[in-house]
Amino acid sequence: ETGVTQSPTHLIKTRGQQVTLRCSSQSGHNTVSWYQQALGQGPQFIFQYYREEENGRGNFPPRFSGLQFPNYSSELNVNALELDDSALYLCASSPADWSSYNEQFFGPGTRLTVL
Amino acid sequence: GIQVEQSPPDLILQEGANSTLRCNFSDSVNNLQWFHQNPWGQLINLFYIPSGTKQNGRLSATTVATERYSLLYISSSQTTDSGVYFCAAASETSGSRLTFGEGTQLTVNP
Repeated sequence: ETGVTQSPTHLIKTRGQQVTLRCSSQSGHNTVSWYQQALGQGPQFIFQYYREEENGRGNFPPRFSGLQFPNYSSELNVNALELDDSALYLCASSPADWSSYNEQFFGPGTRLTVL
Repeated sequence: GIQVEQSPPDLILQEGANSTLRCNFSDSVNNLQWFHQNPWGQLINLFYIPSGTKQNGRLSATTVATERYSLLYISSSQTTDSGVYFCAAASETSGSRLTFGEGTQLTVNP
């Protein structure tokens, strides 16, 4: 059974640029959630995708957007990067529909640095 | 939304000691998970425990849903137990999104 994978591992961008992060969910999981973890803090929920639709969003501006594909993989896109976007971005998958509360499994993360 | 608080924020132990980490939450939960974050940032699942008690080797966890808290017990700690431990919860009102506490930084000295 393949776990959650994310790419790239590390990324350096400059302020104002755009970035795309990728996530492949664990086999059999159809729900993907994205979290942002700033240094020294707990992860913060960005949004969740189920059946290719956004299914809940945290307190993040519209320049954070996402996609989910038919194979349940997902992308996180961030436009107009700001210095405060520097963080570890974590993807989690679960064998859930939007109304259930199954265990979530996390990928290794993408560490984004914005200069 | 649901609030999650963890204590203590920092814990320093000698190898072989036992410890208890606490997680308080502000609403009824449908999901409660404990994680260990390794030095590279990956969150390792320890327990999925919205209620009841579970054990896995030297680790065990108890969630008392009616009193809105969960405890993670680490017995006979080892240096490899060092790292940050997170509690995360989801409630009916917050949907399946997980809300994390600020974590407990555990250091186990040899």
